[in-house]
Amino acid sequence: DAGVIQSPRHEVTEMGQEVTLRCKPISGHNSLFWYRQTMMRGLELLIYFNNNVPIDDSGMPEDRFSAKMPNASFSTLKIQPSEPRDSAVYFCASTIQVGTEAFFGQGTRLTVV
Amino acid sequence: KNQVEQSPQSLIILEGKNCTLQCNYTVSPFSNLRWYKQDTGRGPVSLTIMTFSENTKSNGRYTATLDADTKQSSLHITASQLSDSASYICVVSAGNNDMRFGAGTRLTVKP
Repeated sequence: DAGVIQSPRHEVTEMGQEVTLRCKPISGHNSLFWYRQTMMRGLELLIYFNNNVPIDDSGMPEDRFSAKMPNASFSTLKIQPSEPRDSAVYFCASTIQVGTEAFFGQGTRLTVV
Repeated sequence: KNQVEQSPQSLIILEGKNCTLQCNYTVSPFSNLRWYKQDTGRGPVSLTIMTFSENTKSNGRYTATLDADTKQSSLHITASQLSDSASYICVVSAGNNDMRFGAGTRLTVKP
C-alpha cells in the first residue's frame, strides 16, 4: 500500500479564496483524521471520521472549515473563505480503528497570502 | 487546556550523547500512549506504544517508560545520531477512543 496520500503537497492561495485539501486513507482503515500543525500550537485535531461518519468535529475552528468523507477511500477538507491565519501544514491520518497506530500522510503546506 | 504536556520544548545535544524526553498527561480514562517521530517535512511515524500494564519498552536505541500512577512517560534515546534530529510527539489515547497530542519536543543532534 502506498500509505496515506494527500494532495496537493503545497498550496499558496490568496485570502478569500476557497481551498480544498484531499486525502486518500490506507485501504481497510476505518478511521480518518484531519490535523493542523503550526509552530505555535503543534498538532491539533480538527475532525475525525469513523466508517465515513464524522464523529468529533469540535476541533474545527470555524464555520469556514468543512470536511467530508463521501466514501471509505476519499476525504476532503475545505476552507472557504481562506484567511492568512489558516496558513499551516494540514495532515491526514488513518487508522484501522480509533486508538490504534495512526499512519500519517505527507501533509499539505497551505500558505494564505 | 492541553491534556498532554511535553518537555523540554526543544533540545540540542551532541552526536553520541543520550537524552530523555518527558511527557505528562491528564487524559482519562487511559488506553495507551504512543511516541511518534516526525522528521522535518514529513508526517509523524509511530516509535512505540505503551499500554497500562507496561513500564518500559525498547525499539532499538529508543526506550520508552510509563508510570501510570503519576501519569508520566519518558522517551530515552541512547547514543544519538544525526538522523535522530526530529520532533518527538507524545500521543495519549483515552478509553473513549479519543487521542490527544502533545506539542512535541524538537530535538537537534549536532556533530
